[in-house]
Amino acid sequence: SAVISQKPSRDICQRGTSLTIQCQVDSQVTMMFWYRQQPGQSLTLIATANQGSEATYESGFVIDKFPISRPNLTFSTLTVSNMSPEDSSIYLCSVRGTGGETQYFGPGTRLLVL
Amino acid sequence: GDSVTQMEGPVTLSEEACLTINCTYTATGYPSLFWYVQYPGEGLQLLLKATKADDKGSNKGFEATYRKETTSFHLEKGSVQVSDSAVYFCALRTSYGKLTFGQGTILTVHP
Repeated sequence: SAVISQKPSRDICQRGTSLTIQCQVDSQVTMMFWYRQQPGQSLTLIATANQGSEATYESGFVIDKFPISRPNLTFSTLTVSNMSPEDSSIYLCSVRGTGGETQYFGPGTRLLVL
Repeated sequence: GDSVTQMEGPVTLSEEACLTINCTYTATGYPSLFWYVQYPGEGLQLLLKATKADDKGSNKGFEATYRKETTSFHLEKGSVQVSDSAVYFCALRTSYGKLTFGQGTILTVHP
């Protein structure tokens, strides 16, 4: 199994600012993903983080709002830009290995925007 | 598109009661099916999975059988414990690789 850490674990931010969330995996993985879990709701895929190229965004999510980096096979960042209270959510990093069926999730970053 | 529908919660049970959380899906092709659990204040953990029709996934006393004819993957446990209190998510993944989640079911077990 993969062990995933995220930083920060939680933050309270002001409207209009940006926050970068880091995701570190203890082994090289093929696929890395970023999800959002809004209060009381299910998980929604934001994007697939691609190593060495631009992330692949799901419908309703754009690079200007959620820029993503993935410089290598064990690390990725998600930035939540120009935040508003509607961005208050848990943001989760997730990984899956080559040919692997199982997808693992990080502990999440709890973001509150005031 | 792919979708997962779970029974609405919250579900409240007494310890040692039987649990069933219904999950049905719509997908193109032949998806793999999963149950994830989220304990209070923690991240998602894989509880069990099934990759083809009639497979039964099991873990920690929980079971779910992949029923292609009814497009279902109901989660069951014969005797729940207080420590089972959590949010349970049913999910599917098709060959396209995207994991699609249901809305989650909150389970509370009282002593």
